[in-house]
Amino acid sequence: NAGVMQNPRHLVRRRGQEARLRCSPMKGHSHVYWYRQLPEEGLKFMVYLQKENIIDESGMPKERFSAEFPKEGPSILRIQQVVRGDSAAYFCASSPRIAGANVLTFGAGSRLTVL
Amino acid sequence: DAKTTQPTSMDCAEGRAANLPCNHSTISGNEYVYWYRQIHSQGPQYIIHGLKNNETNEMASLIITEDRKSSTLILPHATLRDTAVYYCIVRVVERAAGNKLTFGGGTRVLVKP
Repeated sequence: NAGVMQNPRHLVRRRGQEARLRCSPMKGHSHVYWYRQLPEEGLKFMVYLQKENIIDESGMPKERFSAEFPKEGPSILRIQQVVRGDSAAYFCASSPRIAGANVLTFGAGSRLTVL
Repeated sequence: DAKTTQPTSMDCAEGRAANLPCNHSTISGNEYVYWYRQIHSQGPQYIIHGLKNNETNEMASLIITEDRKSSTLILPHATLRDTAVYYCIVRVVERAAGNKLTFGGGTRVLVKP
């Protein structure tokens, strides 16, 4: 079991470009969560998705950010027209279907640097 | 989810037990206590969780007080690799919330030789 796979591990973009971060959940997991960690700050929840559905996007910035988890393929976090303040580590986590106290398993993260 | 309070930082000696406290005085009956840690630049790592009873696994032990208002994570023999930020999180288990975790500031643990 390869765990939660995130790619790219490092991404450099210039201001105004688009960033796409991918997350493949653990085998058998149907729930995906995205978190952001700004430099020297804590982990902040962004969005929670199931296959083809956004369940909770209360932590997503209102503009430029979107997330999807299609029926086939990885979950994608998309940041349009990136700004320097978007530079951060973006972590994806996955869990199985909700049944009791399920544990989130995190990936190694994608580090976005905006020049 | 109930709020948790943890010390900002603590040091411990290599080879000794590390006892990490967490206060969650407003915890409700259907909330679990979870512990995660984040080693520098890595993704958070699950350690242990519990509801009422004390729990132990290969990584740590979790001691929850009888009134459930506080808990202690015990790393039995701390190593240098245990240097990390440790997060105590309380979460309601309900379908609508999914398994979302809300991270606080955590305790920055430095294991010293």
